[in-house]
Amino acid sequence: DGGITQSPKYLFRKEGQNVTLSCEQNLNHDAMYWYRQDPGQGLRLIYYSQIVNDFQKGDIAEGYSVSREKKESFPLTVTSAQKNPTAFYLCASSIPQEETQYFGPGTRLLVL
Amino acid sequence: QKEVEQNSGPLSVPEGAIASLNCTYSDRGSQSFFWYRQYSGKSPELIMSIYSNGDKEDGRFTAQLNKASQYVSLLIRDSQPSDSATYLCAVTSGNTPLVFGKGTRLSVIA
Repeated sequence: DGGITQSPKYLFRKEGQNVTLSCEQNLNHDAMYWYRQDPGQGLRLIYYSQIVNDFQKGDIAEGYSVSREKKESFPLTVTSAQKNPTAFYLCASSIPQEETQYFGPGTRLLVL
Repeated sequence: QKEVEQNSGPLSVPEGAIASLNCTYSDRGSQSFFWYRQYSGKSPELIMSIYSNGDKEDGRFTAQLNKASQYVSLLIRDSQPSDSATYLCAVTSGNTPLVFGKGTRLSVIA
């Protein structure tokens, strides 16, 4: 069953803590993306990767970090430098030639 | 800064009516256009893609593109309560990530 999985579904972060959100895909897609969505807002791009071992900053990369060591995986770390991390985080993947992006189910991050 | 603009709504239509959702974009080099549907608390799902001027139909959905006016729309015929959701317009100029609008919330009244 092909698709994109994100875990956990809900994540709680304490002040000053780094947390990592998981994103895995078995669609054999080259490109992967992380978006943040706030209530009533559209999707804002955090980071994206078009190939293994390479990634680019999006519009709101400050306070976040990523890695792309495997084609299937693109984890996102929300660092303590991100002062307002409460949001719905969405991972997506695509075949670059097709441009169409497919989304995982999302992770909701809350601050304790 | 590339921008995609949508009326936030809510757009309320009676069941069985046509819902018309609109989107404008700032980048004249945009080549590919997408409509996603997002139910509350869920992730976006692709409804339609359109790449050339004119209309593209898929079931009850029709996407319309006018590159000269930098305008793309989505028509939903015979609207159903299950169509109630937020509809996101997304645009790319190719080899760049999608730029999303903030979405239009549609409410279909039974």
